[in-house]
Amino acid sequence: SQELEQSPQSLIVQEGKNLTINCTSSKTLYGLYWYKQKYGEGLIFLMMLQKGGEEKSHEKITAKLDEKKQQSSLHITASQPSHAGIYLCGAYGINNAGNMLTFGGGTRLMVKP
Amino acid sequence: SAVISQKPSRDICQRGTSLTIQCQVDSQVTMMFWYRQQPGQSLTLIATANQGSEATYESGFVIDKFPISRPNLTFSTLTVSNMSPEDSSIYLCSVVLVRGEGLTDTQYFGPGTRLTVL
Repeated sequence: SQELEQSPQSLIVQEGKNLTINCTSSKTLYGLYWYKQKYGEGLIFLMMLQKGGEEKSHEKITAKLDEKKQQSSLHITASQPSHAGIYLCGAYGINNAGNMLTFGGGTRLMVKP
Repeated sequence: SAVISQKPSRDICQRGTSLTIQCQVDSQVTMMFWYRQQPGQSLTLIATANQGSEATYESGFVIDKFPISRPNLTFSTLTVSNMSPEDSSIYLCSVVLVRGEGLTDTQYFGPGTRLTVL
């Protein structure tokens, strides 16, 4: 099973609606990364969270890391078709992978105009 | 930051042939990796490309199938050998920039190579 669990696996929302994607680990996370992958393209780095309770925003996307550093959420406000893609959370140190990022299963987002 | 380019960006290949994917980074990096993303799945690490020595492969991946070269700190190649339709995937090159003691490293990914095997 995935050491990083993402939910939901897929999401279809109407343009303009808000949405939240969750990433949960059974272990404390030391550095939680959010990436976006547009269909057929490479990964785009969104943001990195390190401290418990940390929250970062970029345009209409906000990511939070809980105080226990075991859960992160990615929130998109007023979604647009350009937000469509696969969102991946990643963390170091999972599965004894040292300096390697381990990824969650991804959330496939579709935004209907 | 690191800018990574990959060639080719996509290819369609016949079963039984081999394809070599190139990865070029705009700066010298110590850690370079190859990932695979099969349709509908998350990323899977294939191997760590080591400069000057043999690559380190993850469970389920072997050198005969995925030979890797790393002649210097800015370049690597991944070859997908004796291809079958199951090898159809996006292959991504990735590097980690070490930020220093007490700071979390940052990982960057190339744009990927979309491989379709007929």
